[in-house]
Amino acid sequence: QVQLQQSGPGLVKPSQTLSLTCVVSGDSVSSNSGTWNWIRQSPSRGLEWLGRTYYRSKWSFDYAVSVKSRLTIRPDTSKNQISLQLNSVTPEDTAVYYCARNPAQVSTMIDWGQGTLVTVSS
Amino acid sequence: DVVMTQSPDSLAVSLGERATINCKSSQSVLYSSDNKNYLAWYQQKPRQPPKLLIYWASTRESGVPDRFSGSGSGTDFNLTISSLQAEDVAVYYCQQHYSLPLTFGGGTKVEIK
Repeated sequence: QVQLQQSGPGLVKPSQTLSLTCVVSGDSVSSNSGTWNWIRQSPSRGLEWLGRTYYRSKWSFDYAVSVKSRLTIRPDTSKNQISLQLNSVTPEDTAVYYCARNPAQVSTMIDWGQGTLVTVSS
Repeated sequence: DVVMTQSPDSLAVSLGERATINCKSSQSVLYSSDNKNYLAWYQQKPRQPPKLLIYWASTRESGVPDRFSGSGSGTDFNLTISSLQAEDVAVYYCQQHYSLPLTFGGGTKVEIK
């Protein structure tokens, strides 16, 4: 059974960088069987897919256009984790952030982290 | 982007009765090469992440009770709970997994009447 454990600060100041980590157990982030996503949820924007990474002989990355210029998703195979960095945050980035895994064959989220509420405020 | 529109926003159903939620996509999510509809349904309870119920419009995820069923094709889809149980009180979301960016509907809250 795959488990995703998230960590990171719950409060970030405007214009700073939001950083979250998702530690994976029960699978390898560099396996060919999974894809690793970041999704956020807020009352104003609902569920919003932010981006993903996966390894199929090389690492690939896809980002939502709305955050592409500010978002970096980074795998760390030595720690078996995926990280998210969102730069230049504003209060609009306040949300619950989730990491989630989908199997290679279908882009539906089978395994989820517990969620991290991140508030952007001074 | 494929826009997903759910209706109704909320639904109150008596225990044991049927609940039906609709989801419409702004373009077809039927992939012609495999004749599959790339539409999923999730259930979310308070303070929990969403849980996958159905994918490819009608395939139940392992362990999901068979009172949950999905139907539809192209741009128009339904999630049906055949006999509502107390533990089914939740918000339900559709998601298209046809193209990037992956997009979700706005959610339907199901309550007990």
